[in-house]
Amino acid sequence: AQTVTQSQPEMSVQEAETVTLSCTYDTSESDYYLFWYKQPPSRQMILVIRQEAYKQQNATENRFSVNFQKAAKSFSLKISDSQLGDAAMYFCAYRSGLSRRRTGTASKLTFGTGTRLQVTL
Amino acid sequence: NAGVTQTPKFRVLKTGQSMTLLCAQDMNHEYMYWYRQDPGMGLRLIHYSVGEGTTAKGEVPDGYNVSRLKKQNFLLGLESAAPSQTSVYFCASTEMRGITDTQYFGPGTRLTVL
Repeated sequence: AQTVTQSQPEMSVQEAETVTLSCTYDTSESDYYLFWYKQPPSRQMILVIRQEAYKQQNATENRFSVNFQKAAKSFSLKISDSQLGDAAMYFCAYRSGLSRRRTGTASKLTFGTGTRLQVTL
Repeated sequence: NAGVTQTPKFRVLKTGQSMTLLCAQDMNHEYMYWYRQDPGMGLRLIHYSVGEGTTAKGEVPDGYNVSRLKKQNFLLGLESAAPSQTSVYFCASTEMRGITDTQYFGPGTRLTVL
């Protein structure tokens, strides 16, 4: 079974600064996907960024980027130019790549326990 | 499109009562999921469905039942609620097309069992 670990329960960053959230995972699979979800106080789960394990290039979405280290099984999220609206819980998640076989279990997400990000003025 | 909606948003039950949570999606997605979120534990999969008329167990299925009679709806039932089922419940759906499917989440249902 796959596991996802987020070792930072809380992080704080000043507005306009950069912060990195850590995530490690454990899997025996070679084909998988990794995600970062944001959960603001509204509770809505919002996809921030996605990384395919077969891609060596790190994913980037505007101010959000990842540092994907496949050998180390590490998937950190970097938020640049932090804004007050970035304050939220951030969850790292894993999904098996076996979805190509159209199996439901392969499409399920395994989540980490989350990191609460505070953004200060 | 409304996306994924959940009904109700909040509910308080007494131990032993039953209730059904409704999840609806208007994106014609094949796969639907029910997760629960507890403090310090992230989201855990309760049950899922790979299509109309099918359901399967996830990581924490005990005490819950589900049904997928229509493609757009996925119901989560608690037959006899227990305080341990106090949680926030999320429904999600995904379209199995290609390899980069994304799970879309509903806004969640906060359930308290007294």
